[in-house]
Amino acid sequence: GDSVTQMEGPVTLSEEAFLTINCTYTATGYPSLFWYVQYPGEGLQLLLKATKADDKGSNKGFEATYRKETTSFHLEKGSVQVSDSAVYFCALIGGSARQLTFGSGTQLTVLP
Amino acid sequence: DAGVIQSPRHEVTEMGQEVTLRCKPISGHDYLFWYRQTMMRGLELLIYFNNNVPIDDSGMPEDRFSAKMPNASFSTLKIQPSEPRDSAVYFCASSTSGSFNQPQHFGDGTRLSIL
Repeated sequence: GDSVTQMEGPVTLSEEAFLTINCTYTATGYPSLFWYVQYPGEGLQLLLKATKADDKGSNKGFEATYRKETTSFHLEKGSVQVSDSAVYFCALIGGSARQLTFGSGTQLTVLP
Repeated sequence: DAGVIQSPRHEVTEMGQEVTLRCKPISGHDYLFWYRQTMMRGLELLIYFNNNVPIDDSGMPEDRFSAKMPNASFSTLKIQPSEPRDSAVYFCASSTSGSFNQPQHFGDGTRLSIL
């Protein structure tokens, strides 16, 4: 079945540092890929998405590129802020299924 | 626009009691999902509905769990009887039909503690 493997956390960075959270996937066909963010005490919010190979999703300074050849969708941000502290989930919807398959989540803490 | 609304936000009850969690999806969304989040298991899909009909309930852990969607604007997840291992955050999410690329919109969750 479809699966998502995410970089183990927690990740702790200083403000303005560069962020990469790795995500790779296994799926049949051509899934759509998503990054969700969960701030403390809240539900998941869609951060960005990409629906086909070589698409780049971007939002709030975060970017991720759909790499079919490496089955990856790594999340990057050039300069993180304290307010980016949250849990980040990589996810996919594959084939005709509506079910989101989530990675295990990566806790990010940004220190001032 | 109102997002997905869940109630209650927090629930603390004793084991053996019935627990009912409620969800109002975003108006016009015809898919509704129930998830459970725990430290040990992460996010698990329990069940989802399309046009009020349950499509896949393979994630429902036991017969103690049941979910209904009597109309397009309301769904419940019920646990009876509840057990301490049911303690978790339960999320409801909704999405639209059409392209299956549409993202899911999550509520803020119900934090359930079974004593």
